[in-house]
Amino acid sequence: NAGVTQTPKFRVLKTGQSMTLLCAQDMNHEYMYWYRQDPGMGLRLIHYSVGEGTTAKGEVPDGYNVSRLKKQNFLLGLESAAPSQTSVYFCASRDSHSGAFFGQGTRLTVV
Amino acid sequence: AQRVTQPEKLLSVFKGAPVELKCNYSYSGSPELFWYVQYSRQRLQLLLRHISRESIKGFTADLNKGETSFHLKKPFAQEEDSAMYYCALRDYTGNQFYFGTGTSLTVIP
Repeated sequence: NAGVTQTPKFRVLKTGQSMTLLCAQDMNHEYMYWYRQDPGMGLRLIHYSVGEGTTAKGEVPDGYNVSRLKKQNFLLGLESAAPSQTSVYFCASRDSHSGAFFGQGTRLTVV
Repeated sequence: AQRVTQPEKLLSVFKGAPVELKCNYSYSGSPELFWYVQYSRQRLQLLLRHISRESIKGFTADLNKGETSFHLKKPFAQEEDSAMYYCALRDYTGNQFYFGTGTSLTVIP
């Protein structure tokens, strides 16, 4: 049982490049989340989804887009990467009654 | 508005000493509170949630609605408890989790 898996684990981008982070969960969870983790700021919610085909903005959505075409996958896209998006990104999922289960994180550096 | 406040960024205690990590929340409804732990370069793991009222790895946390607090406590700290601890709140819709800024706990041998 893999739980929540994030791809890739590390990435270096140049300013202006685009990329997509993939989050996959095998627990049949309805809810999925993307967070970024920065020193001194904790985890901040970027976007989330309450079910297949739905997405919603979190606290810091600017510069990011998401899609939930399949229940098990939640994609986070950066259209034009900026150095301010250098961070560690965590995906999480949960069902109606559980706490959140997190992926192992993606360390992104934008130069 | 900051819904979850963890006032201590860093906390150091000696092995065997009691430890308390503070968490205060601001929420008008009935929140659900959680503690998550992140060991070095690992993913966040659920440590405990207030509705289950259980003790995990010797840690306990009581929801105090009067003081709007959910402090995490352990009577005797161990070296393996050194980690980052996050307090989290789930809103009444159940859709969003709000995390505090975290407390880095170091247990000194």
